[in-house]
Amino acid sequence: EVQLVESGGGLVKPGGSLRLSCAASGFTFSSYSMNWVRQAPGKGLEWVSSITSSSSYIFYADSVKGRFTISRDNAKNSLYLQMNSLRAEDTAVYYCASSHNWNYDYWGQGTLVTVSS
Amino acid sequence: QTVVTQEPSLTVSPGGTVTLTCASSTGAVTSGYYPNWFQQKPGQAPRALIYTTSNKHSWTPARFSGSLLGGKAALTLSGVQPEDEAEYYCLLYYGGAQPWVFGGGTKLTVL
Repeated sequence: EVQLVESGGGLVKPGGSLRLSCAASGFTFSSYSMNWVRQAPGKGLEWVSSITSSSSYIFYADSVKGRFTISRDNAKNSLYLQMNSLRAEDTAVYYCASSHNWNYDYWGQGTLVTVSS
Repeated sequence: QTVVTQEPSLTVSPGGTVTLTCASSTGAVTSGYYPNWFQQKPGQAPRALIYTTSNKHSWTPARFSGSLLGGKAALTLSGVQPEDEAEYYCLLYYGGAQPWVFGGGTKLTVL
């Protein structure tokens, strides 16, 4: 059974940092691109960042470029999102999702990040 | 800035058919945008339904189908069930530095 389990969310003050993790199981993690997608309260989905299977290519939305860093450890079947200089508008549920050849398939349950003083 | 537009809301009767569309501000949506469709119910994570325009996942009910229609990506639900009431999102691929853009979502009501 495929599982993606996010962790690391919580309450952080503006300007603070947080590191999200996504633990993958049930599929060949090292063969898939991985993605972070977020959803602000009551809003739609927003693509945040993607990383290819071997970390050769990394992409970021303009809204997080220069503040967020995506990475992965294929030996640990894990995906990460280092979030620095957090702002109130970064408050959202953050989902990790796997993709292969433009096909998004599996999603985690999400982890809530709240940026507030 | 690229904008992907979906109908904000649609209503369909049980057993009916409804088509949701996904338009790009850059012009006609083609297969090269690799449209993906997702369903999200309140309090749940999104669930993938359709990839690369019309391909279904193993878990996608047969009543869901994807296509290109009039320069847009389309998701058609035939024989709608009450459990299909949800928010539906499309996702398009643009390549480049920011390859993916989600549509704003369509809230489908089954009434």
